Amino acid sequence: QKEVEQDPGPLSVPEGAIVSLNCTYSNSAFQYFMWYRQYSRKGPELLMYTYSSGNKEDGRFTAQVDKSSKYISLFIRDSQPSDSATYLCAMNSGGYQKVTFGIGTKLQVIP
Amino acid sequence: EPEVTQTPSHQVTQMGQEVILRCVPISNHLYFYWYRQILGQKVEFLVSFYNNEISEKSEIFDDQFSVERPDGSNFTLKIRSTKLEDSAMYFCASSDGQGRYEQYFGPGTRLTVT
Repeated sequence: QKEVEQDPGPLSVPEGAIVSLNCTYSNSAFQYFMWYRQYSRKGPELLMYTYSSGNKEDGRFTAQVDKSSKYISLFIRDSQPSDSATYLCAMNSGGYQKVTFGIGTKLQVIP
Repeated sequence: EPEVTQTPSHQVTQMGQEVILRCVPISNHLYFYWYRQILGQKVEFLVSFYNNEISEKSEIFDDQFSVERPDGSNFTLKIRSTKLEDSAMYFCASSDGQGRYEQYFGPGTRLTVT
């Protein structure tokens, strides 16, 4: 079983739609959860960083963590064409430890 | 806004040659990392560095790889004898090392080994 599983997509949605992106993980040691956005051939850009189970909101983005189910989600409200990118879930066991990434979900928002 | 920078953006080298990839982490950050991403694959951890020594490394980071903080601003990754399978995007990242754990990534260096 892979440590972090993420559907690579692609996922196509119309502009203005609510986007739901998800990851599952198997390692119970993971305590910190991140979402990065990556444009083609660019570096990952940190969008959300969470620790506890529950929701964290930042503008149009909401990160959700369910540690009991080992399941994390990122919701994007009112999606825009500029949101078209690959979204990487990532996690680690804490502190300054290495981050383990999912494969990334490619999102296309169609005008 | 402070950011991690990397040079060069693209490096082409022949198999067996040595390459040095350079990074300038965010000023005042104390933890530094190298990751790589082979085309179409996951971003993979290589090594982390703190207080002038390696704090963690992956099985990928073998004797062909080394890291160095040659001065107060640069952080380098050296590959001694490149192989075709070293072709990838190499990302440098940094964390502040003072209670905030987020890792911020640079734009990457695309390494092509021919």
